[in-house]
Amino acid sequence: AQSVTQLGSHVSVSEGALVLLRCNYSSSVPPYLFWYVQYPNQGLQLLLKYTSAATLVKGINGFEAEFKKSETSFHLTKPSAHMSDAAEYFCAVSEGQGAQKLVFGQGTRLTINP
Amino acid sequence: NAGVTQTPKFQVLKTGQSMTLQCAQDMNHEYMSWYRQDPGMGLRLIHYSVGAGITDQGEVPNGYNVSRSTTEDFPLRLLSAAPSQTSVYFCASSSRMNTEAFFGQGTRLTVV
Repeated sequence: AQSVTQLGSHVSVSEGALVLLRCNYSSSVPPYLFWYVQYPNQGLQLLLKYTSAATLVKGINGFEAEFKKSETSFHLTKPSAHMSDAAEYFCAVSEGQGAQKLVFGQGTRLTINP
Repeated sequence: NAGVTQTPKFQVLKTGQSMTLQCAQDMNHEYMSWYRQDPGMGLRLIHYSVGAGITDQGEVPNGYNVSRSTTEDFPLRLLSAAPSQTSVYFCASSSRMNTEAFFGQGTRLTVV
């Protein structure tokens, strides 16, 4: 079975600073990988996904992630944090060819300090 | 442009009661899934369906039943609620041709 590990349940950065959220997965075959964002009392919104095309994936709101097979990592970055980025972020991997069976990491709560 | 609609948004149950969480999607997606979200554990898959009449278990299926009689609807049934089922439940749908899952707004369930 697949597993996803997000390093750091809470990350705090200053407004304008680099955001780095870490995600490692376990998979013996190239997986589909996702980052989702959850704002308070809302559902999950897709930020970006990797589906074996370009290893550097650009998403919404200025976020991007790089797939590194040798490190089994898919870290999420944003060059300059904005107050509106405060939310919980989830890394996920698909089991199978579609998105009907996602395995999620435990989540990272991002706080932005003014 | 409804997407995935879950009802109710909030529910309080007594131990032993039964209820059904509703999920409907209007995107003609083949795949639908139910997850529960608990603090520090991310989301865990309960049951999923790859089409009408076809369902399968996920990681945490015990205490939950599902059926899929139409493409649009995928209800989740709790036959005898337990305090351990206190959680936030999310329904998601996705297309066979696309790897993006769309999530509903969630149902916050408390079992006392």
